[in-house]
Amino acid sequence: EVQLVESGGDLVQPGRSLRLSCTTSGYTFGDYAMTWFRQAPGKGLEWVGFIRSKTYVGATEYAASVKGRFIFTRDDSAGVAYLQMTDLKTEDTAVYYCSRGLRFPDLWGRGTVVTVSS
Amino acid sequence: DVVMTQSPLSLPVTLGQPAYISCRSSQSLVHSDGITYLNWFHQRPGQSPRRLFYQVSNRDSGVPDRFSGSGSGTDFTLKISRVEAEDVGVYYCMQGTHWPVTFGGGTKVEIK
Repeated sequence: EVQLVESGGDLVQPGRSLRLSCTTSGYTFGDYAMTWFRQAPGKGLEWVGFIRSKTYVGATEYAASVKGRFIFTRDDSAGVAYLQMTDLKTEDTAVYYCSRGLRFPDLWGRGTVVTVSS
Repeated sequence: DVVMTQSPLSLPVTLGQPAYISCRSSQSLVHSDGITYLNWFHQRPGQSPRRLFYQVSNRDSGVPDRFSGSGSGTDFTLKISRVEAEDVGVYYCMQGTHWPVTFGGGTKVEIK
């Protein structure tokens, strides 16, 4: 069974950093791009960006709202994708989801909650 | 950015009746590879989104056949032929043709 499990969410103060993990199992992680989404409380879904597979040299793309502050990385040997978030802002408060795939992501994790507040 | 406009915002439906959700994009979703990357997701309260359709009309495994996806270019529709209680929640269309990926604002389906 394919699984994606996010972790690392926390309550942090504005300006601080946080790293989220997306631990996967049940498929060949290295064959797939990983996309991150988020959903602010009571709001709709927002694309955060993606990291491609090594076949595509792990290329990344970021939403304008997080570019320069967030970084995607991946550890194919461990089957884990990471989202490093720096200079967090109150508007980054959301449930963060990782998903498998790029243009039509098929499976999503349950999400991890990030709250940015002083 | 491609703007995805869903309607209606809220859709109260009687059990057993059909439901239609519209999704319109501000530009064509036909990619240079010829594929239209339009997806539909369903999100129940407290749960993560579940994909229902990809590339407009390809139904995901386990999705009941009372659901159908159709459309082309900039105009797309999700149809539920006979709404059941488990169909409540918010439905989102998402385009993956152009970066950044964008979503419609969501349509909340509830039972009358």
